[in-house]
Amino acid sequence: GAGVSQSPSNKVTEKGKDVELRCDPISGHTALYWYRQRLGQGLEFLIYFQGNSAPDKSGLPSDRFSAERTGESVSTLTIQRTQQEDSAVYLCASSLAGGPSGQYFGPGTRLTVT
Amino acid sequence: AQRVTQPEKLLSVFKGAPVELKCNYSYSGSPELFWYVQYSRQRLQLLLRHISRESIKGFTADLNKGETSFHLKKPFAQEEDSAMYYCALSGLNTGFQKLVFGTGTRLLVSP
Repeated sequence: GAGVSQSPSNKVTEKGKDVELRCDPISGHTALYWYRQRLGQGLEFLIYFQGNSAPDKSGLPSDRFSAERTGESVSTLTIQRTQQEDSAVYLCASSLAGGPSGQYFGPGTRLTVT
Repeated sequence: AQRVTQPEKLLSVFKGAPVELKCNYSYSGSPELFWYVQYSRQRLQLLLRHISRESIKGFTADLNKGETSFHLKKPFAQEEDSAMYYCALSGLNTGFQKLVFGTGTRLLVSP
């Protein structure tokens, strides 16, 4: 079956604009994760969903970042008033249940803020 | 704080040579350790986890709690092993669900 998909694959936006990044998890996966990877750095955890609730939002860097999930399906990560330091690859992963061992990653969205 | 350190940004070896990708971690308690790999133009994927004690594509990794290390090893490198390798940990202190990643090591295997 299809893996985790993300859209868009690339996004260039002007500083101050809002952006929405989308993640389609593997069908049936109840857990969904967002990570961010800035150039030359490792992946940083942003937020975790179990179903449509987010028990762990500890990684969201500021209140400009928010995410939601519809049921056990699509998730959207929204960044408001983008800043240049938001430039990164945003990765989504999903798993059957909460836990790190079965996380399947999407291809990522490369966000560039000019 | 939980932290994963991969001291080498780039490791370059010849085909057939042994490979060791270093990973050290900082964690209070008993973590789960993982190695993830990303081949060129492919997505990040799980290579192996310490609790499985398995060998995948000839790679092994042993958790050394005394040295807080989880180095990835392969006795004879192949050109197709060229990729980015990330060490990661999870555990009770991280909420179990999320992974804490190192900055990655690029392995380049030359013919």
